[in-house]
Amino acid sequence: NAGVTQTPKFQVLKTGQSMTLQCAQDMNHNSMYWYRQDPGMGLRLIYYSASEGTTDKGEVPNGYNVSRLNKREFSLRLESAAPSQTSVYFCASSGQGAGNSPLHFGNGTRLTVT
Amino acid sequence: AQSVTQLDSQVPVFEEAPVELRCNYSSSVSVYLFWYVQYPNQGLQLLLKYLSGSTLVKGINGFEAEFNKSQTSFHLRKPSVHISDTAEYFCAVRPGGYQKVTFGIGTKLQVIP
Repeated sequence: NAGVTQTPKFQVLKTGQSMTLQCAQDMNHNSMYWYRQDPGMGLRLIYYSASEGTTDKGEVPNGYNVSRLNKREFSLRLESAAPSQTSVYFCASSGQGAGNSPLHFGNGTRLTVT
Repeated sequence: AQSVTQLDSQVPVFEEAPVELRCNYSSSVSVYLFWYVQYPNQGLQLLLKYLSGSTLVKGINGFEAEFNKSQTSFHLRKPSVHISDTAEYFCAVRPGGYQKVTFGIGTKLQVIP
């Protein structure tokens, strides 16, 4: 029972490089999320997908794009990485219901942009 | 839009002492409330949730929280902490009918032997 799987676990990029963070869940959840975690700022929502085929911006979407490839997978792309994007990124998913389902988190991707 | 305020960024407490971690929220609609715990170098895991019904909610590891609608609070408590409770705790709010979940900035609980 894997839950939410994120790859890679660690990544170092140079300014201007691009990369895609991958996320997959095996719980048949409708909703998926990308958060970033920075010291003293908690978790901030980047993008979310309420259901397959839809995506919406969160609090801090600038510099990111997302793709809900299918029900299982939700990827986050940095087109031109900047040092301000150095962070820990978490993917999460939640199941059916009008908001009463908790989030299930992956173990995170630690990204450093130099 | 909803928001979450965790009033204490760090809380040191001696082992076997009680602890309360405070959380206040604001929202224009009814909400679901959650507490998550994050151990070092791990993702977040659900500690407890308030959906409806009894305002006192019990979670894992002996934690409980009380929903107070008039004070828009959802404080987390444990009567006797253990070293293994050292972690960061996050309060989160999710408006009913919506998928967006907003987190507080977190409270680091440090249990002192």
